[in-house]
Amino acid sequence: AQRVTQPEKLLSVFKGAPVELKCNYSYSGSPELFWYVQYSRQRLQLLLRHISRESIKGFTADLNKGETSFHLKKPFAQEEDSAMYYCALRPGDNFNKFYFGSGTKLNVKP
Amino acid sequence: NAGVTQTPKFQVLKTGQSMTLQCAQDMNHNSMYWYRQDPGMGLRLIYYSASEGTTDKGEVPNGYNVSRLNKREFSLRLESAAPSQTSVYFCASSERYEQFFGPGTRLTVL
Repeated sequence: AQRVTQPEKLLSVFKGAPVELKCNYSYSGSPELFWYVQYSRQRLQLLLRHISRESIKGFTADLNKGETSFHLKKPFAQEEDSAMYYCALRPGDNFNKFYFGSGTKLNVKP
Repeated sequence: NAGVTQTPKFQVLKTGQSMTLQCAQDMNHNSMYWYRQDPGMGLRLIYYSASEGTTDKGEVPNGYNVSRLNKREFSLRLESAAPSQTSVYFCASSERYEQFFGPGTRLTVL
């Protein structure tokens, strides 16, 4: 079974502090991993995917297959980063299924 | 482009009533999805449709039916609503890896 775990429901940091949102997954094959973000009063939207290895809005995430993790990091948090973040997994054997974690609310304090 | 639209935005039902949630996308995507979002549980896939004329069960299909009316529209039907179906329902569409979400329907079953 595929599972995505985000252990923190709420993460509060001060502006300028580093932030790391944790995501662990369980899947026996080769998954694709994503981070989605939902800002207040906006729709859920894709932030980044592991394959692209991009930095989006200063965020990066590295897939660690040994630890089955895909943590989201940003060295200096901004107030506009405050949002709900969801880690998601797409199985390698079914590109039409997505499994989401329970989400972490990031609160960046001034 | 409107992207993914959902109707209604809010709905209150009594136990045993039926209703259909409507979803439409104007991005010419092949794949469409229905999720439910419950506190502390993230998004869970109810049903998906990989292409016009096909539908498949997701993680939590019990109590729901879907129809892929055409390439644009994907509806979700509750035949006999139960309080356990109180949730926020999201429709999404995708082409390749990125999912585009609708604004959600907040459903309360009394």
